[in-house]
Amino acid sequence: SAVISQKPSRDICQRGTSLTIQCQVDSQVTMMFWYRQQPGQSLTLIATANQGSEATYESGFVIDKFPISRPNLTFSTLTVSNMSPEDSSIYLCSVFPDIQNYGYTFGSGTRLTVV
Amino acid sequence: AQTVTQSQPEMSVQEAETVTLSCTYDTSESDYYLFWYKQPPSRQMILVIRQEAYKQQNATENRFSVNFQKAAKSFSLKISDSQLGDAAMYFCAYRALYSGAGSYQLTFGKGTKLSVIP
Repeated sequence: SAVISQKPSRDICQRGTSLTIQCQVDSQVTMMFWYRQQPGQSLTLIATANQGSEATYESGFVIDKFPISRPNLTFSTLTVSNMSPEDSSIYLCSVFPDIQNYGYTFGSGTRLTVV
Repeated sequence: AQTVTQSQPEMSVQEAETVTLSCTYDTSESDYYLFWYKQPPSRQMILVIRQEAYKQQNATENRFSVNFQKAAKSFSLKISDSQLGDAAMYFCAYRALYSGAGSYQLTFGKGTKLSVIP
């Protein structure tokens, strides 16, 4: 299965600033997903990122707040913009390696604290 | 829309004993995949086991097995011979089989925190 390097692993940020999270995959993958996991909660899908097209955002998430880039089949970034304490969460990327392989691989997550 | 329900926020088990985590789901689809993921304190989401809905046989991976009841839309996880390293959050997840808008995304339950008592 694919191996994902997610950076940073954690950060503490001032409110009003932005943080960009990176996910690098060791192989080409069709689909990448970005999830948010609020403290003590389950994972909520933010958006699906496909190479060469705009990301598809889920209800409650907007591009201005969570811009996503997917410049190639091995890399994606998620930016959390104009942060507030409510954005304090774990953010995880996930990849869907292969249409025929229904397994998903996750990055190790980014623990974000906004103060 | 699909929903996944885990009714046990927390469970505990004695080391070497067996524990069963519950999961129910709601879908109008006939073909889909179900997963159990483990999330230890390291935050890494680790796939424990997966089940294709079109397979009647329950999936098994070493000490982990599932009881898949399609008609009841139930997908429980049994952990045998529990070990200290099994302590983690366990999430049940669903994915539709066929392509279409949003079909490759996973829908997660709220999770069950499993503690293993030495």
